[in-house]
Amino acid sequence: KNQVEQSPQSLIILEGKNCTLQCNYTVSPFSNLRWYKQDTGRGPVSLTIMTFSENTKSNGRYTATLDADTKQSSLHITASQLSDSASYICVVSRFTSNTGKLIFGQGTTLQVKP
Amino acid sequence: DGGITQSPKYLFRKEGQNVTLSCEQNLNHDAMYWYRQDPGQGLRLIYYSQIVNDFQKGDIAEGYSVSREKKESFPLTVTSAQKNPTAFYLCASTKGPRADNEQFFGPGTRLTVL
Repeated sequence: KNQVEQSPQSLIILEGKNCTLQCNYTVSPFSNLRWYKQDTGRGPVSLTIMTFSENTKSNGRYTATLDADTKQSSLHITASQLSDSASYICVVSRFTSNTGKLIFGQGTTLQVKP
Repeated sequence: DGGITQSPKYLFRKEGQNVTLSCEQNLNHDAMYWYRQDPGQGLRLIYYSQIVNDFQKGDIAEGYSVSREKKESFPLTVTSAQKNPTAFYLCASTKGPRADNEQFFGPGTRLTVL
């Protein structure tokens, strides 16, 4: 079954600290993996997108890693800010000949406290 | 500014009523998508359209209908047949017809059934 599981479900950290969010998937055949940030009541915004051959990609203080062998990805946030408080969604694309299909994780809710 | 707009931001519906959610994009994207987001769950695909005057059912199409008469517009109608319509609805688009291209999301519409 094609699934994307994220952990933890929620996380509280202090401003300035680092954190790492996890994503495990069982999607096949794999096309790409992306991380989105979703502020409360808003649409998701893309942070990173990685293909099979990429094992790390950064976007400012956000660094995503991908291990295609173990089918795991992580999103590391460095020097967290209050504005990082949001839900982070891992999305894996399953390749199909027609259009491709996105499999969404349930998200990790991050709260950054002062 | 280029982007995706959704309206209204909040929508209230009485049981038995049909309501239509608007989605417009000025990105000149080919494909458009409608998702439903419920608390603690990943986004689920309702309908998608890869080209004008054509659309396909997603994973949870029952109780919904769409049209794609113009490239920039993809309205979603929530019919009275949808038994549990209260949710956050997100519209997205991709350049090119494939869903595994980068998806850009609108700000969402929160629908509440009274």
